[in-house]
Amino acid sequence: DAKTTQPPSMDCAEGRAANLPCNHSTISGNEYVYWYRQIHSQGPQYIIHGLKNNETNEMASLIITEDRKSSTLILPHATLRDTAVYYCIVTGGGNKLTFGTGTQLKVEL
Amino acid sequence: GAVVSQHPSRVICKSGTSVKIECRSLDFQATTMFWYRQFPKQSLMLMATSNEGSKATYEQGVEKDKFLINHASLTLSTLTVTSAHPEDSSFYICSARDLVANYGYTFGSGTRLTVV
Repeated sequence: DAKTTQPPSMDCAEGRAANLPCNHSTISGNEYVYWYRQIHSQGPQYIIHGLKNNETNEMASLIITEDRKSSTLILPHATLRDTAVYYCIVTGGGNKLTFGTGTQLKVEL
Repeated sequence: GAVVSQHPSRVICKSGTSVKIECRSLDFQATTMFWYRQFPKQSLMLMATSNEGSKATYEQGVEKDKFLINHASLTLSTLTVTSAHPEDSSFYICSARDLVANYGYTFGSGTRLTVV
């Protein structure tokens, strides 16, 4: 599976949009981009995934560049409860998920 | 959405004893489940892939005789930590995917194992 690179930490003001970047320059054509988050001492929570088109659901939006070498997870109106470690994972369909170090997002008042 | 239930959430055991952790897919069938381990302030590390009706596939460095995995049905996988030692104390998490619904991989809430 392709390796991903994320900034180790980010801060965001409550109510603002949180934009979390991820680089995956070695992604191959059949690999999806998944985003998960993990709040302290809980199991990871699925956020969103996509292949090449931008995706949106009730939690977030996923913007994938045209060359698919990077993506951005957007939380449109961050709240304190969005404070968590966010993981960007690239994998082929049905394959195991390999976690990197993720981005620690801290949402502050 | 898909739900994965993990039990127990916390367990304390004595050194040398064995502990069993259950992972159930509640509203979907999972031919494959995954077991992870997470140490404090570290990321999740995949331990093994559990396959229904066949042997589990272990990641490099994971002792298969110590971490016994059984996937006897399409909704249940178990991880048994045998002859536990304090260094096995960790957060164990399972995951499964609802292929029919094409949902993302769903994770259990995790099991905090403390070996004393």
